[in-house]
Amino acid sequence: GAVVSQHPSRVICKSGTSVKIECRSLDFQATTMFWYRQFPKKSLMLMATSNEGSKATYEQGVEKDKFLINHASLTLSTLTVTSAHPEDSSFYICSASAGSISYEQYFGPGTRLTVT
Amino acid sequence: GENVEQHPSTLSVQEGDSAVIKCTYSDSASNYFPWYKQELGKRPQLIIDIRSNVGEKKDQRIAVTLNKTAKHFSLHITETQPEDSAVYFCAASKGGNQFYFGTGTSLTVIP
Repeated sequence: GAVVSQHPSRVICKSGTSVKIECRSLDFQATTMFWYRQFPKKSLMLMATSNEGSKATYEQGVEKDKFLINHASLTLSTLTVTSAHPEDSSFYICSASAGSISYEQYFGPGTRLTVT
Repeated sequence: GENVEQHPSTLSVQEGDSAVIKCTYSDSASNYFPWYKQELGKRPQLIIDIRSNVGEKKDQRIAVTLNKTAKHFSLHITETQPEDSAVYFCAASKGGNQFYFGTGTSLTVIP
């Protein structure tokens, strides 16, 4: 149980285009989903927290207009990197939580974004 | 906000020896402390966690200790094996909310 999927696993796009990454909880309802960014050999940096049906809460320094997050249902959250640039190339990982009754977060497999 | 520091950044041990990784946190309201193992290019996997109402938890070769007063917690791996080689992250959370991760420790177990 507690499986989180991410799609796509890898994406290469040209500078200036937008990329959408999907995060799905497959066997539980995720009241909260989190988006992280991870640079090579670095830690996971929390980008934003999204609750179903409400606006995402972004961490300081993360541009909300560049990283659009939508949490349309209890099983799906999307991250759209708008007008991507090479510096946006990174490993993006989502995680999902069943809410305050469960402390644990379940991580997706990550999406490797490369902007050329 | 929460600030989690983790040491050491790299650690090499001989197979069979023990490995200890330490983390400190800043927010006294944090009450949940998970440890994750991440292999290259893969998702973090929870290996053990501890809540603030206990001081120690053990699962086979892995144990975690928590000192709430000093705001630090540690991961202990005994009888290390080559397959334990990975990057380990600690995190702190106020339970049900966002995790703040440490900077990671790259553990290498030398056969």
